[in-house]
Amino acid sequence: EIVLTQSPGTLSLSPGERATLSCRASQSVSSSYLAWHQQKPGQAPRLLIYGASSRATGIPDRFSGSGSGTDFTLTISRLEPEDFAVYYCQQYDSSPWTFGQGTKVEIK
Amino acid sequence: EVQLVESGGGLVQPGGSLRLSCSASGFTFSSYALHWVRQAPGKGLEYVSSISSSGGSTYYAVSVKGRFTISRDNSKNTLYLQMSSLGAEDTAVYYCVKTRSSNWYTAFDIWGQGTMVTVSS
Repeated sequence: EIVLTQSPGTLSLSPGERATLSCRASQSVSSSYLAWHQQKPGQAPRLLIYGASSRATGIPDRFSGSGSGTDFTLTISRLEPEDFAVYYCQQYDSSPWTFGQGTKVEIK
Repeated sequence: EVQLVESGGGLVQPGGSLRLSCSASGFTFSSYALHWVRQAPGKGLEYVSSISSSGGSTYYAVSVKGRFTISRDNSKNTLYLQMSSLGAEDTAVYYCVKTRSSNWYTAFDIWGQGTMVTVSS
């Protein structure tokens, strides 16, 4: 099983600042089968990034993903008020499909 | 519009059973693999189970294997999760999730709104 470890657990930032979230895998995720999902309180998750760096339909370009192998990053270039949420990385390279424990981006 | 709507959640006693349903619309249901993912109150996302587009292949997390059964009816555009021998650790919101293709090793791209299952006496 591929274990995903996200850091930091919580990120306290102000609107307009840059957010950098990390996801580290316990073994290489081939073909960059790594996604990022956003979840706001009381809502279902939403796909942001797939294939490590491809934005899903309708996702603003302030969201970008990068990385390969075991180290992946989600960057939000300038935080908007609606971006304060919990972010999960997820691998779909091998079963069982696994999620990181989440990074909460909160307003400072 | 692509939509997934879960139903069937509720309060069940420990050791009991429950069947969740996920009704799909807005896409060719039989062409996509589907998954169930759950989230315990205040916790993160946990993978539960997967089924191939035809229904011929299934996969389960260790935590539910032997207790849960995933199935689908492509003629009714509906996904199911039959849960038995439920325990407190199964209390969670259960999400139905669609993949981007028939290959289940693709990104989870559409999530339902979830249905709450509470196991308690």
